[in-house]
Amino acid sequence: EPEVTQTPSHQVTQMGQEVILRCVPISNHLYFYWYRQILGQKVEFLVSFYNNEISEKSEIFDDQFSVERPDGSNFTLKIRSTKLEDSAMYFCASSVLGGDTQYFGPGTRLTVL
Amino acid sequence: GENVEQHPSTLSVQEGDSAVIKCTYSDSASNYFPWYKQELGKRPQLIIDIRSNVGEKKDQRIAVTLNKTAKHFSLHITETQPEDSAVYFCAASKVTGGGNKLTFGTGTQLKVEL
Repeated sequence: EPEVTQTPSHQVTQMGQEVILRCVPISNHLYFYWYRQILGQKVEFLVSFYNNEISEKSEIFDDQFSVERPDGSNFTLKIRSTKLEDSAMYFCASSVLGGDTQYFGPGTRLTVL
Repeated sequence: GENVEQHPSTLSVQEGDSAVIKCTYSDSASNYFPWYKQELGKRPQLIIDIRSNVGEKKDQRIAVTLNKTAKHFSLHITETQPEDSAVYFCAASKVTGGGNKLTFGTGTQLKVEL
C-alpha cells in the first residue's frame, strides 16, 4: 500500500537557521498539506497546496514559512529563520483531488536549540 | 473558524470493555469527520470516518455516530484490546470538492488495562 514518506526523521538546528523538511506524497494525490504537533498537544493545520499554489494557510503559517513542489514528487516546507517555538513534529499529508481522506507521513521531529 | 472539543482527555478501561470518546464541533458547514489513532512517536492513522449524510458507521469493533443537529460525534470501541492503547484524535472539516483543512480535537489517551 503506498504511503507518504518524509525526510529527515529528526532535524536538529540552531535558532535562526533555515530548515527544509521534505515529503513525498502518494503518487496519484494532488492535494498536499503540512501540519505540526507540539509535543503532547493536538495536530494543527499549517497549509494546503494544490496546482502549485497555496489553497489555504493558518495564522501559524507566517512569512517565515514557505512551501514548494520543486519537482514531480517532492513537497517541501521551509522555515527561513527558526525559533525555539518552532520545535515540533511536522507531518505532511496528501489526498486525491476532490477527496477528503488525508494520509499522513511519519513526521519530522524538528528540534530548535 | 472551526473549533473541535474532545472528551475525555484520558480514558482507562479494562480489556474487553467498551470505550467511548466524544467530540463536538462548532461549524455547522463541516461535513467530514475522521478519527485518527496515534501511537507514541508515530504518524496519525485514519481508523474510521463519517460524512454528514450518514448517522452511523461501523467497522468491526469500531463505530462512529454523528448527530448533526447537536453538532457532536462519537467513537465507540467495543471489546477493547491492549493494542487499542493509543491517543485518539477526532477532526472535522468542510469538504468543498477540493482539499480540506482538518481541525483536530485535543486528543484522548486511551489505556486498555489487562
